Amino acid sequence: SYELTQPPSVSVSPGQTARITCSGDALPKQYAFWYQKKPGQAPVLVIYKDTERPSGILERFSGSSSGTTVTLTISGVQPGDEAEYYCQSADSSGTYWVFGGGTKLTVL
Amino acid sequence: EVHLVESGGGLVQPGGSLRLSCAASRFIFSTYWMSWVRQAPGKGLEWVATIKPDGNEQYYVDSVKGRFTISRDNAKNSLYLQMNSLRADDTAVYYCARGIYTMLSGYYFDYWGQGTRVTVSS
Repeated sequence: SYELTQPPSVSVSPGQTARITCSGDALPKQYAFWYQKKPGQAPVLVIYKDTERPSGILERFSGSSSGTTVTLTISGVQPGDEAEYYCQSADSSGTYWVFGGGTKLTVL
Repeated sequence: EVHLVESGGGLVQPGGSLRLSCAASRFIFSTYWMSWVRQAPGKGLEWVATIKPDGNEQYYVDSVKGRFTISRDNAKNSLYLQMNSLRADDTAVYYCARGIYTMLSGYYFDYWGQGTRVTVSS
């Protein structure tokens, strides 16, 4: 079955830039989407179609894509950004959806 | 704003059944794809099932095929997940999520409920 690979953890100091990667063979042909998940809360969409930001999401959140890897970048990281971040996409069929394993962002 | 409220979770024995419901409001339910996504304790998010707006096509993760059935009642603005032959590894918080699908953009989840907890244990 199809898999998306994320690093388990990323740590940065406040004010620095955090970059979270997500790799998958189908990513050159399928868009990726990113979600922020805090304990006890519902996930929140932060990036869609690789690079688009939903209304209400701060400009500090951005996305990029290159080949089989997509990247979520959080600029000027703040303590409130501490959360688990998940990428999501589809396999080559387009109708089987998967999430990456999640990356825990720690603000030091 | 979009409102999704799940219900029906609880404790069930292995091999048992449970039916989850999701009440949707503040959007035109009948025009949206809908999905269930779960998160097992200490694990990541896992897509479970998706249904088209008219209910005529459903999609499932391999691990639940033949055991779970997603359905909807557009007249009642409600989404359901019938779960049969439950196993311990089905234990999770189950989220109802509204989906956005286009041929060009793919499919993603733009709004989520708060989730309902399912525990499969003897």
